[in-house]
Amino acid sequence: NAGVTQTPKFQVLKTGQSMTLQCAQDMNHEYMSWYRQDPGMGLRLIHYSVGAGITDQGEVPNGYNVSRSTTEDFPLRLLSAAPSQTSVYFCASKPRREASYEQYFGPGTRLTVT
Amino acid sequence: GNSVTQMEGPVTLSEEAFLTINCTYTATGYPSLFWYVQYPGEGLQLLLKATKADDKGSNKGFEATYRKETTSFHLEKGSVQVSDSAVYFCALSVLGGATNKLIFGTGTLLAVQP
Repeated sequence: NAGVTQTPKFQVLKTGQSMTLQCAQDMNHEYMSWYRQDPGMGLRLIHYSVGAGITDQGEVPNGYNVSRSTTEDFPLRLLSAAPSQTSVYFCASKPRREASYEQYFGPGTRLTVT
Repeated sequence: GNSVTQMEGPVTLSEEAFLTINCTYTATGYPSLFWYVQYPGEGLQLLLKATKADDKGSNKGFEATYRKETTSFHLEKGSVQVSDSAVYFCALSVLGGATNKLIFGTGTLLAVQP
């Protein structure tokens, strides 16, 4: 049981490049989400999914796309990287969408955009 | 709207000192409250949670009580260890609408000195 895995661990992009951050979970969780962590701002929700085929925007969705074709995978796509997207990205999952469930976090991807 | 305010750090303590990290919240509805911990270079992991008023969450010597009257969820530990050095995040989740997201405070860095 690997939990939530993320790849890559580190990435450097040039402005305008695109890339996909991978996230997978093996716990059969319905709910998955992406956060970004910036100094002094805590974690902010980018996108989330309550099940395969269902995604929605969080509080900072601009510049990012997601899809959820399977229960296990929830990739995050940066369409045209900008320096403002330099951040640490965390994927998380929980069994169901109810508020009382804890979220399980991946180890993070540190992205630098130059 | 929903929000979390926690005390700013860094908090520097000597080993075996008493720890309090304050957390207050604003929420519509009935939130679940969480404390997450992030050790250096790692993702977040749940430390404890409480899902209704007057509940006490506890884990690894840490405790927090859900106080509805003061809208607070302060984290306490009677005797900290060097291994407790980490960033601590208070968070809330409210089931409602389509979002049901986890809202984080900005985090408090704890440094414990031997």
